[in-house]
Amino acid sequence: GENVEQHPSTLSVQEGDSAVIKCTYSDSASNYFPWYKQELGKRPQLIIDIRSNVGEKKDQRIAVTLNKTAKHFSLHITETQPEDSAVYFCAAPSSGYSTLTFGKGTMLLVSP
Amino acid sequence: DAEITQSPRHKITETGRQVTLACHQTWNHNNMFWYRQDLGHGLRLIHYSYGVHDTNKGEVSDGYSVSRSNTEDLPLTLESAASSQTSVYFCASSSSGTGGEAFFGQGTRLTVV
Repeated sequence: GENVEQHPSTLSVQEGDSAVIKCTYSDSASNYFPWYKQELGKRPQLIIDIRSNVGEKKDQRIAVTLNKTAKHFSLHITETQPEDSAVYFCAAPSSGYSTLTFGKGTMLLVSP
Repeated sequence: DAEITQSPRHKITETGRQVTLACHQTWNHNNMFWYRQDLGHGLRLIHYSYGVHDTNKGEVSDGYSVSRSNTEDLPLTLESAASSQTSVYFCASSSSGTGGEAFFGQGTRLTVV
């Protein structure tokens, strides 16, 4: 099955700084890489995803990059704001199917 | 609007009791999943289903069971609750095929005493 490693486990930044979270995966057949944001006491929600036929995708202040050769993908958040404070999870599908294996999460703290 | 709902939101039960957590989705999704969330472990897959009468074990399935009698519901049963099963449980659903967004329910916080 898929193994997803996520780093760092916690990340503290000042408002306006950039934040980068990195994930590696083990199954070279994986082709879909979503990122979820979970605010305190809430459910995880998709914020951005990328498929294996592209190397980068942007949506306003967030972007995801994918390196299939190295089997890693990263979430980039620019101009961070206090409301970006949350736990972020990366994920990859198991054996190309719909079941997602999640990383252990990164708690991002953005200080004003 | 389509949604996915879990009940109850909070549950306290005693060791050894059977407990069932409900999950209902109106997305008409074929895929449904149960995860548990524990500090330091992220989201771990318990069971999943790709359609009616289909069920599969996930990474941490021991002590849990599911059944899928219709498209909308995937109840999770703890056969004999143990303190190690104290956790937050999330149900999720997604459309068929690979690479589809998974929509999560609000979560159920279960405490086994």
